[in-house]
Amino acid sequence: QVQLVQSGAEVKKPGASVKISCKASGYTFTSYYIHWVRQAPGQGLEWLGIINPSGGSTSYAQKFQDRVTMTRDTSSSTIYMELSSLRSEDTAVYYCARYHTGNFAFDYWGQGTLVTVSS
Amino acid sequence: DIQMTQSPSAMSASVGDRVTITCRASQVISNNLAWFQQKPGKVPNRLIYAASSLQSGVPSRFSGSGSGTEFTLTISSLQPEDFATYFCLQHNTYPFTFGQGTKLEIK
Repeated sequence: QVQLVQSGAEVKKPGASVKISCKASGYTFTSYYIHWVRQAPGQGLEWLGIINPSGGSTSYAQKFQDRVTMTRDTSSSTIYMELSSLRSEDTAVYYCARYHTGNFAFDYWGQGTLVTVSS
Repeated sequence: DIQMTQSPSAMSASVGDRVTITCRASQVISNNLAWFQQKPGKVPNRLIYAASSLQSGVPSRFSGSGSGTEFTLTISSLQPEDFATYFCLQHNTYPFTFGQGTKLEIK
C-alpha cells in the first residue's frame, strides 16, 4: 500500500535549520511528484513547494524561495525538505503529499512532522 | 497567485442537514480542484478530486461540483462523523493555494 512516512518532531532555535524526510513506499517513487505544505497551530494550509523525484527539479513558493531546499534520494525513495533561518512563525506541522495530474492530486499524505521554533 | 475564497469560514448544522460549502477562485482553474476533510490532530483526507469525482471509500453523501472559478462541496445528509474542517485546494497553477477552511460544528 502507498505510504509516506515522515521523520519525527523537531525543536529548533530561531536562526537554525531543520531537515525533514518523507520516505515513500508502495508505488514507483519517480512517477509522482511530492509537495510540501505546512499548517501552523489553528491555521489553514500553506503550500511550500514541489519536487519531481525523477529529475530532482523543484518549484518553490516565492515566500520561501530563499529559505527552502527540497532534495531527493532515489536509492532510498526519500524526499527531504530543509528550511533555514527559522523563526517562531515557522512553528507548524509540515506535511509531504503525493501528486500527479488527473486523479492523483494529493491523494496520499505523510503523517506530518511538528517543527517547533523556540528560544 | 490564485486566491481561493472559501465560504463560510464556520457554520453549525444538525445531523441530517444538507450543507454546502463554496470555493471561488480568482482565476479560471478548469476542474483542477480538490476537497479535503480534516479532523483535529489528523492528516487531511481527500474527499473529491477533479472538482466532482468522489474519492474511493468516501461516502456518497459527499459530492462536488463546479468548473472554472466556482466550486461547491455538498454533504447531502450530515452524519456525526462529518463534523470537521473542510478546505479546497487549487492545483491548476503554481503556487498551489488552499481555501481558508470551513469549520463545521454541531448545532
